[in-house]
Amino acid sequence: GENVEQHPSTLSVQEGDSAVIKCTYSDSASNYFPWYKQELGKRPQLIIDIRSNVGEKKDQRIAVTLNKTAKHFSLHITETQPEDSAVYFCGAYFGGGSYIPTFGRGTSLIVHP
Amino acid sequence: NAGVTQTPKFRVLKTGQSMTLLCAQDMNHEYMYWYRQDPGMGLRLIHYSVGEGTTAKGEVPDGYNVSRLKKQNFLLGLESAAPSQTSVYFCASSLQGGSGANVLTFGAGSRLTVL
Repeated sequence: GENVEQHPSTLSVQEGDSAVIKCTYSDSASNYFPWYKQELGKRPQLIIDIRSNVGEKKDQRIAVTLNKTAKHFSLHITETQPEDSAVYFCGAYFGGGSYIPTFGRGTSLIVHP
Repeated sequence: NAGVTQTPKFRVLKTGQSMTLLCAQDMNHEYMYWYRQDPGMGLRLIHYSVGEGTTAKGEVPDGYNVSRLKKQNFLLGLESAAPSQTSVYFCASSLQGGSGANVLTFGAGSRLTVL
């Protein structure tokens, strides 16, 4: 079936460094790619998303890039802060009529003060 | 506006017992989902519904049943609980599917332990 591969599973950085999380997807028809952040003990929440007609999208310190030809997209966090520590999930929407999201396995980002 | 509410938040079951998790949303969303979250496995889709009266299987449906008799409620049932079903369960909803209005709103999660 369709799947989303996410790497790395764990990422440890120093405060102020940049962090990059990468995802690849299998369905070339996918056209919507969200990123969710889940803080410890809390529910996942959308932080940024990108549609296939856009190559890059930014929102303050976070950005997402999309390469449709290579079928991969990435989350970039600049000037990381301790409150960025969380699990991040990438998602992709596959076809088949209902267009249901599939998520990667998550990346645990740890930002050391 | 409560968003997505899950009950119960915690539950301990013995192997073979049954239970139902309730998800309620007050946003008039069409789509609803049940995910389970296990360490290192991410969010895996159990079942989903694209509207009142409809349900469909996700990635890991075995051992679970669902019902969507009312648009605002999505019930997840375990008929005979097994230790492998120990997990955190998240319900989510979205206005629609596809690339239109598909931002997921998640509930707070339900932690289930099967002994």
